[in-house]
Amino acid sequence: RKEVEQDPGPFNVPEGATVAFNCTYSNSASQSFFWYRQDCRKEPKLLMSVYSSGNEDGRFTAQLNRASQYISLLIRDSKLSDSATYLCVVNPRYSGGGADGLTFGKGTHLIIQP
Amino acid sequence: ETGVTQSPTHLIKTRGQQVTLRCSSQSGHNTVSWYQQALGQGPQFIFQYYREEENGRGNFPPRFSGLQFPNYSSELNVNALELDDSALYLCASSLGTRGGETQYFGPGTRLLVL
Repeated sequence: RKEVEQDPGPFNVPEGATVAFNCTYSNSASQSFFWYRQDCRKEPKLLMSVYSSGNEDGRFTAQLNRASQYISLLIRDSKLSDSATYLCVVNPRYSGGGADGLTFGKGTHLIIQP
Repeated sequence: ETGVTQSPTHLIKTRGQQVTLRCSSQSGHNTVSWYQQALGQGPQFIFQYYREEENGRGNFPPRFSGLQFPNYSSELNVNALELDDSALYLCASSLGTRGGETQYFGPGTRLLVL
């Protein structure tokens, strides 16, 4: 089983629609969770951290379910500029023996159509 | 922008050669992590440097090595290049190593091995 699994898409969504992405992770000891956005041929950029209580940043809402090892991202009122690849990212527990680095999913490709 | 810079932006090498990639971390950040991103994949953790020492390593062979300098900038060295080393190499800076710190990525170096 892959450490972080995402549906690669592409998701083709009309402008103004609501779109949801999910990912699952295998390491139950994982400590922190993020969504990064990556535009074509650019570096990943932090979109938002993800907390069990759920968190919202404007049109974006992220949710973590530790029991199911499941992370979600909801984008409301999608814009053309939201077209990108969305990377689900997990930071394993720091073991004391050294950092494990961020573990990335392959990403979900989103295309917002006018 | 994140304030993380990388050089060069692009590089072409041939099999068997050696390459050095450079990264300057964001001001105030003492930790640098390196990632390899192959086409269509999420970034894969290579290693992390903290206070000039390797602090964790992913599943990469010893021909991938690094350095961190007193100003927290870092180098990634790859010896005996193979065709599969062709990828986008990303460095990310952060503050501390407890785990969970947000990592900020540089624009990356695109390496093509012929």
